[in-house]
Order: sequence, then C-alpha cells, then structure tokens
Amino acid sequence: DAGVTQSPTHLIKTRGQHVTLRCSPISGHKSVSWYQQVLGQGPQFIFQYYEKEERGRGNFPDRFSARQFPNYSSELNVNALLLGDSALYLCASSLAQNEKLFFGSGTQLSVL
Amino acid sequence: QKEVEQNSGPLSVPEGAIASLNCTYSDRGSQSFFWYRQYSGKSPELIMFIYSNGDKEDGRFTAQLNKASQYVSLLIRDSQPSDSATYLCAVKGNGGFKTIFGAGTRLFVKA
Repeated sequence: DAGVTQSPTHLIKTRGQHVTLRCSPISGHKSVSWYQQVLGQGPQFIFQYYEKEERGRGNFPDRFSARQFPNYSSELNVNALLLGDSALYLCASSLAQNEKLFFGSGTQLSVL
Repeated sequence: QKEVEQNSGPLSVPEGAIASLNCTYSDRGSQSFFWYRQYSGKSPELIMFIYSNGDKEDGRFTAQLNKASQYVSLLIRDSQPSDSATYLCAVKGNGGFKTIFGAGTRLFVKA
C-alpha cells in the first residue's frame, strides 16, 4: 500500500512568489494535517482537514491556506513568500480526526 | 510555557544501555500521547502511542504516562546505534483536532 505522498520534494522560490504543495493521503484516510518544521525544531501545526472541511488552524498568517478535495488529497498554498517560510512542510494523514498521524516525506521549501 | 516540553539533548548512551526520554505537557485535558522518531533528513515516524496511565511495552520500547504529573516518557532498552535519531513527543487534547509536538530530543547511541 502506498503511504502518504507529497510533491514536489524540493522547491526553490524567491520572496513574494507563491507556492502550492500537494499531498495524497493513505488510501482510506479521511484526515490530512499540514505541519511546518524548521531545522532543530518540532513540527508546527498549520491546518487540519477532515471530510473536506477545515477543522483546525494553527498560528500562521492568512498567507497560508489549504483545501481538501473529494478524493481526500490536499493542497497547501502560501502566498507572498518570506525568507522565514523556508522550512520542511510535512503532510500527515490519519483515519479519522483524532487518530495517529502518518507522515509523508515532506517538501523542502527554500525561499531566496 | 510551551505546550509540550522536551530536553533538547543531545542524550548520549552506550550501545546496550537504556535510553530514557522525557516529556511534559501543559494541557490537563490531553488524552492521546505519541512518540515519533525522526532520522536526520527524514520525516517523523510513529513508534509508540499511549492513552491510559501506566506503562505500554512494544519490543524494546516502553512508553510511560502519568496524567497527574502531566508527564510522558519513552524508554529504549538495549539501545542500538540505529536508534540514534531525534525523538518527538506529541500530545493531542480531548476532542482536539491538532497534535502538538515538542522540539524533540536528540539521541546518540555510541557503538
């Protein structure tokens, strides 16, 4: 069975640009969560989607948005990129809203 | 006060020893507790979860939970060099939608 897949694996952008990151959950999983991880820190919660609805949002600016599609895949969008947005972006899926998280391999975003 | 606190380490133990990793959390309503392992350059991988007070054992790993003290720990017996990684403690509140992670403890197992 395929695990959580994320694309792209690496991305280089310049300040002010926008970026779209994609995630496909494990088959049968209906919940997708997005995390940002800066080197040396733990993952920081950005969003959770369950059954295509936003169920939670972390302490991130409105430049960050996300959505979940009918097939439960998800996109994370970041507008007006800042240098500080450089990080590893992790997608995690779970069977239900409060279940164990299974992470994809992440997207390493570098903003120059 | 951080929601989930861990000693950043590094914690260094010799091969074959017991590694003890600790975590405290601030939300008394937390119901689910997880330990993830993250190798350098990789994504976190779930290794243990615990929901009730007491100990839970799985192979060389034992998770311990004390809700009264708001304390979670992970013991790794017979530590191997392949256990060298960052261990992330994660907590989810009752009915909560988000899992909160600590900053992680770096573990080095010396051969």
